[in-house]
Amino acid sequence: QITLKESGPTLVKPTQTLTLTCTFSGFSLSTSGVGVGWIRQPPGKALEWLALIYWDDDKRYSPSLKSRLTITKDTSKNQVVLTMTNMDPVDTATYYCAHIQSSSWYHWGQGTLVTVSS
Amino acid sequence: QSVLTQPPSVSAAPGQKVTISCSGSSSNIGNNYVSWYQQLPGTAPKLLIYDNNKRPSGIPDRFSGSKSGTSATLGITGLQTGDEADYYCGTWDSSLSAAVFGGGTQLTVL
Repeated sequence: QITLKESGPTLVKPTQTLTLTCTFSGFSLSTSGVGVGWIRQPPGKALEWLALIYWDDDKRYSPSLKSRLTITKDTSKNQVVLTMTNMDPVDTATYYCAHIQSSSWYHWGQGTLVTVSS
Repeated sequence: QSVLTQPPSVSAAPGQKVTISCSGSSSNIGNNYVSWYQQLPGTAPKLLIYDNNKRPSGIPDRFSGSKSGTSATLGITGLQTGDEADYYCGTWDSSLSAAVFGGGTQLTVL
């Protein structure tokens, strides 16, 4: 059974850096073709892809947010970490991590709501 | 502004059939697999269709997917009130080198 769970702060101040951790089980991020990514959803709005890291450490970022994002993995801990710098109130959203194979997001975490406010 | 275009809402009566369209371009839908996701209120998205028309284990055959050129379609037959949700299409965009989603379609079962 594949599970993913997001963890991190629920409230950050403007200009701060957000660090989110995705802890997963049921698959290995060293298996060929497997990736883990981050997707966010502002309240009442659509899904927005942020970043993705593959088993071979290939990393991809949303072109519009690339300068603010860093994604890393710790295969031994089954974790993927996303950092987003210079947070703004418009970044308030539910942040999901998800397991990807081919181009489909097969399994999703429950999501974590991050609010950006002073 | 989403890269993939979906109708904001669709509706149909219980037991009826509904289709949801997803329009893109040659850099995304035209040359990559399409997937569909169901998001019930207050929950995380769930994969319904992958590789254009395949259903993961546990997804009933009331849900179907198809692709033609730069557009894809999700079909749902035998509508149930429990199908009320937001539905998203997704794929890879080779030009952007980015995963992309549609803007979502809210399904109402009247």
